[in-house]
Amino acid sequence: NAGVTQTPKFQVLKTGQSMTLQCAQDMNHEYMSWYRQDPGMGLRLIHYSVGAGITDQGEVPNGYNVSRSTTEDFPLRLLSAAPSQTSVYFCASSYEPGGYEQYFGPGTRLTVT
Amino acid sequence: GDSVTQMEGPVTLSEEAFLTINCTYTATGYPSLFWYVQYPGEGLQLLLKATKADDKGSNKGFEATYRKETTSFHLEKGSVQVSDSAVYFCALAGGYNKLIFGAGTRLAVHP
Repeated sequence: NAGVTQTPKFQVLKTGQSMTLQCAQDMNHEYMSWYRQDPGMGLRLIHYSVGAGITDQGEVPNGYNVSRSTTEDFPLRLLSAAPSQTSVYFCASSYEPGGYEQYFGPGTRLTVT
Repeated sequence: GDSVTQMEGPVTLSEEAFLTINCTYTATGYPSLFWYVQYPGEGLQLLLKATKADDKGSNKGFEATYRKETTSFHLEKGSVQVSDSAVYFCALAGGYNKLIFGAGTRLAVHP
């Protein structure tokens, strides 16, 4: 049981490039979320999904897209990277409806130059 | 809107010292409250939670009591260890499957 996995661990992009951060979980959790972590600001919700085929915006969705074609996978796409998207990105999943005991992946550290 | 405020760090303690990390919140109603811990190089892990006023959450020697009168959820431990060095996040349930986090407090424990 690997829990929540994220790839890559580190990534450097140039402004304007696009990329996809991968997230997968093997716990059969319906609920998955993406957060970004910035110094002094805690974690902020980007997008979340309540099941396959269903996604919604969080607090800071601009510049990011998501899709959920399977229960296991929840990729986050940066369409045109900007320096303001330099951050650490965490994927999380949970089992219960409104289940706030979320399980977090190890994170992806992204730098946009 | 809902928000969480934590004491600024870093907090530096000697092993076996008493720990308090302050957390206050602003919210509509009485949301569930959480403490998450992030060890170096890892994702966040749930440390403890309380779902209603006067509840006490506890785990691994850490405790926090949900105080609606003071809108607080302070984290305490009677005797910290070097292995407790981490970043601690207070959070509240802001809506369906949504957590609102504080900025985090870094704890460094020295032998």
